[in-house]
Amino acid sequence: AQRVTQPEKLLSVFKGAPVELKCNYSYSGSPELFWYVQYSRQRLQLLLRHISRESIKGFTADLNKGETSFHLKKPFAQEEDSAMYYCALAYTGGGNKLTFGTGTQLKVEL
Amino acid sequence: GAGVSQSPSNKVTEKGKDVELRCDPISGHTALYWYRQSLGQGLEFLIYFQGNSAPDKSGLPSDRFSAERTGGSVSTLTIQRTQQEDSAVYLCASSLEGPGNSPLHFGNGTRLTVT
Repeated sequence: AQRVTQPEKLLSVFKGAPVELKCNYSYSGSPELFWYVQYSRQRLQLLLRHISRESIKGFTADLNKGETSFHLKKPFAQEEDSAMYYCALAYTGGGNKLTFGTGTQLKVEL
Repeated sequence: GAGVSQSPSNKVTEKGKDVELRCDPISGHTALYWYRQSLGQGLEFLIYFQGNSAPDKSGLPSDRFSAERTGGSVSTLTIQRTQQEDSAVYLCASSLEGPGNSPLHFGNGTRLTVT
């Protein structure tokens, strides 16, 4: 079955340090991958999608089909980046449902 | 509208009782999803509605769970004979099209506690 793995439940970094939130997926075809974010007391919302190749709030994510990864990166963490981050996968034949990972709680310390 | 609306925001029920959770999607969104969010379990897919197509029920954990979407708009998730393991936050989301083409807009969720 298609699966999204986020190995870290909690990631703690200092302000200004680089951030990398790991995401690996299992799917042999051409997936569509997303990062969703949930800030404290806010709704879960889309952060970015791989097909857009955009940088949102300083975050980028590159799809690496060879390593089946879609890690989320930011060169310099800010306090406001503290949130829960979910990696998600949609795929042909998946009936258009979005499969989420278990999430990584990012904590940026001063 | 202001976004996806879910009610109630909190629900405490006794084991064995039935509960109904409601979702009002964004007007014009053809796709509607239900997910369950539990500690350490991430977001678990439950059911997906797309237009007039038959819903994808592959994520419903047991036959105690059912959902319907009336008139292509409001959706109700029903849990019969609730169990303690049903305690979680139930999230509804809608999107203009499928997730590959348009983002999911989530509601604030219903926190269900089964005592």
